[in-house]
Amino acid sequence: DVVMTQSPLSLPVTLGQPASISCRSSQSLVHSDGNTYLNWFQQRPGQSPRRLIYKVSNRDSGVPDRFSGSGSGTDFTLKISRVEAEDVGVYYCMQGTYWHWTFGQGTKVEIK
Amino acid sequence: EVQLVESGGGLVQPGGSLRLSCAASGFTFKNYWMSWVRQAPGKGLEWVANIKEDGSEIYYVDSVKGRFTISRDNAKNSLYLQMNSLRAEDTAVYYCAREGDHSAGYWGQGILVTVSS
Repeated sequence: DVVMTQSPLSLPVTLGQPASISCRSSQSLVHSDGNTYLNWFQQRPGQSPRRLIYKVSNRDSGVPDRFSGSGSGTDFTLKISRVEAEDVGVYYCMQGTYWHWTFGQGTKVEIK
Repeated sequence: EVQLVESGGGLVQPGGSLRLSCAASGFTFKNYWMSWVRQAPGKGLEWVANIKEDGSEIYYVDSVKGRFTISRDNAKNSLYLQMNSLRAEDTAVYYCAREGDHSAGYWGQGILVTVSS
């Protein structure tokens, strides 16, 4: 199985300041079709997960542009340019390149 | 609007069985792979199983192989998860999800399954 490792696991941030979460995979996530199926999900307290980013850097509909994804191969990053109160929650990376899909451990974002 | 509504959860004894259902609406169900993903209390996300549009391909995480069966009824726009030989470690919120771009683009609200005596 592909192991997804996130860091940090806890991220206290100041409102209006940037935040960054790292995700590393145990093997390259480049699929045989040329795409890299690395996704980011947000789970607010008490809610279902919501996909923010798919294929490394594509924002889902309705996702604010303060969220951005980048990376390649085995090393990926989710950035929030200016953290807002509604961004509190747990963020997960997930690979969809290999069966079976695997998630990172989650990064808890909280306001200082 | 895409909607996924799970049902069928509850409390079951170890070794027991439960069948989860997911009613889909707002999209052409027969055109999408579907998945089940679970989350144990206070823990992270774990993909459980998924099924191709026509049911011809199915995949499971190793921990549920031989015990869980995913299926679908495209005429009823419904996804199912038959869970047998349930264990305490199967206790979780189970989410139905619609796939897209090798990912779970839409999620249901989740349904709690508790395995306990």
